[in-house]
Amino acid sequence: GQSLEQPSEVTAVEGAIVQINCTYQTSGFYGLSWYQQHDGGAPTFLSYNALDGLEETGRFSSFLSRSDSYGYLLLQELQMKDSASYFCAVLNDYKLSFGAGTTVTVRA
Amino acid sequence: DGGITQSPKYLFRKEGQNVTLSCEQNLNHDAMYWYRQDPGQGLRLIYYSQIVNDFQKGDIAEGYSVSREKKESFPLTVTSAQKNPTAFYLCASSSRQGAFFGQGTRLTVV
Repeated sequence: GQSLEQPSEVTAVEGAIVQINCTYQTSGFYGLSWYQQHDGGAPTFLSYNALDGLEETGRFSSFLSRSDSYGYLLLQELQMKDSASYFCAVLNDYKLSFGAGTTVTVRA
Repeated sequence: DGGITQSPKYLFRKEGQNVTLSCEQNLNHDAMYWYRQDPGQGLRLIYYSQIVNDFQKGDIAEGYSVSREKKESFPLTVTSAQKNPTAFYLCASSSRQGAFFGQGTRLTVV
């Protein structure tokens, strides 16, 4: 099966940088993806890593190290609207499993 | 517009009744998924399908059933065997690079 671990909560001020780590255990691996979910809403796709390295999409970047079974999501220039839950997910063949989520709170 | 449509947004069910949640996508994705989310929790995989007429149990399939007769459609039935069905249900489809979700259905058992 698959298991993913990520911190439960992170708090930071506007303009700061936050890194959300994700470690995973899986019998097979195709890629690691990240999602954002605001209260009451559905998750939205942020980024995907299949190979080692950094993927940058605007203020958000995602990193993967397959040898360490580890990835992170980097949120830069934090804004109030970034307050949300963030989930990492691992794709094993067609099975897509999610971590428990990290609640990010941005303070003025 | 391309996307995933779930209906209804809110659903109330009496104990002992089966109920079917609809999920339709026009993204031409092969893979589709159903997740359950309880308040303050993560997404738990109920069922997934990688191709028409084929689907696999996820981590919490007991009390649920699905069908995949068309590529675009992946309905979920919550049966009376599901002991605690009140939850937020999310359907998604995936291109492997990433999953795209419907707006979700909030099911409440009354």
